[in-house]
Amino acid sequence: DTAVSQTPKYLVTQMGNDKSIKCEQNLGHDTMYWYKQDSKKFLKIMFSYNNKELIINETVPNRFSPKSPDKAHLNLHINSLELGDSAVYFCASVGTPKETQYFGPGTRLLVL
Amino acid sequence: GESVGLHLPTLSVQEGDNSIINCAYSNSASDYFIWYKQESGKGPQFIIDIRSNMDKRQGQRVTVLLNKTVKHLSLQIAATQPGDSAVYFCAEKTGNTGKLIFGQGTTLQVKP
Repeated sequence: DTAVSQTPKYLVTQMGNDKSIKCEQNLGHDTMYWYKQDSKKFLKIMFSYNNKELIINETVPNRFSPKSPDKAHLNLHINSLELGDSAVYFCASVGTPKETQYFGPGTRLLVL
Repeated sequence: GESVGLHLPTLSVQEGDNSIINCAYSNSASDYFIWYKQESGKGPQFIIDIRSNMDKRQGQRVTVLLNKTVKHLSLQIAATQPGDSAVYFCAEKTGNTGKLIFGQGTTLQVKP
């Protein structure tokens, strides 16, 4: 029944490691997003894909690389993790018209 | 640059009272606004939305008011309940990529 799901829910890793987080939506939406929420709860968009095509790419270090194998999935790979990458990462999706975004439960990343 | 802000970081209300959470936005071209509720450990959950051609919209116990003249958005929660305790975000959408710009969030605390 889960509309937007993310794995893993928690991720604890060492600085310098490479990790991936995954997102899947079963809403039939064409557009998916990655957001980063910092320790002050501020939500900022990172990327957006529409039908596997990148349409939004905010000022994000190129250590972050999104990949969309199909329109129901949007993964986020992070290379050479840094302490400042610690945050909660949310995936979201939206149908047409692009208005109400539905969010996943978040992935809590802690870089030690 | 674009920004959406909330006036108060924390709002404390008595159970049963009405709550009003305010938000100021800066982009007069924004055509869609949305309120999200985020409970601890969860992703943002859609509450109510409003398009720029409206000034009021009502849901179940919630009302959103939009004042485009002063670029102000508010969320009113009637008969606030303990389950309403959460962080509330307003967000605005400009353009057709679906990109949402979020405010800082207001933490609503409901006292029994």
